[in-house]
Amino acid sequence: EAEVAQSPRYKITEKSQAVAFWCDPISGHATLYWYRQILGQGPELLVQFQDESVVDDSQLPKDRFSAERLKGVDSTLKIQPAELGDSAMYLCASSLWLAGGTDTQYFGPGTRLTVL
Amino acid sequence: TQLLEQSPQFLSIQEGENLTVYCNSSSVFSSLQWYRQEPGEGPVLLVTVVTGGEVKKLKRLTFQFGDARKDSSLHITAAQPGDTGLYLCAGPRGSNYKLTFGKGTLLTVNP
Repeated sequence: EAEVAQSPRYKITEKSQAVAFWCDPISGHATLYWYRQILGQGPELLVQFQDESVVDDSQLPKDRFSAERLKGVDSTLKIQPAELGDSAMYLCASSLWLAGGTDTQYFGPGTRLTVL
Repeated sequence: TQLLEQSPQFLSIQEGENLTVYCNSSSVFSSLQWYRQEPGEGPVLLVTVVTGGEVKKLKRLTFQFGDARKDSSLHITAAQPGDTGLYLCAGPRGSNYKLTFGKGTLLTVNP
């Protein structure tokens, strides 16, 4: 069964350092999402791609976060510099097309980030 | 302000008991989705409800969408330890149908 792949699964870093997360969506899925999930809360969308284009990055802290999906396949989310408040689970999801309200998003296992 | 309010936040029950968790909003949604998330993993979609008043069953799980499409419930019959997890509801908002999630109900089923 096809799955969304993410790496690394765990990352520990010190504040002010740079970190990067990688996501490989299910083959053929045009839409890719990055979410942040703080402990005890639901996922919050950071950025949404349709192919290589950003559709929504309204909740992405652009002073320190960046995301790219250069060839419309895999994607990288970067934080520079990391802050203590960035400690969270970073989830990647993909779907076949831009969600029309009933589209299924398939989530990867996430990257657990701890900033010391 | 949380757009989707889930209750209870935590629920701990014994195996074999029944339970209901709720997802409420003051806004109308075109659809609502329920996910289950196990520790250290990403959420997995359980069901999507689309029509007001709709009831969907998935084995021992029964999902209901309110008539006004502002709320939903999940009922589990004869809970098992394998049902343990974080249950999230989510609904699409905006022109891009961005999913907004509730905070979830953390269910623990004790053997």
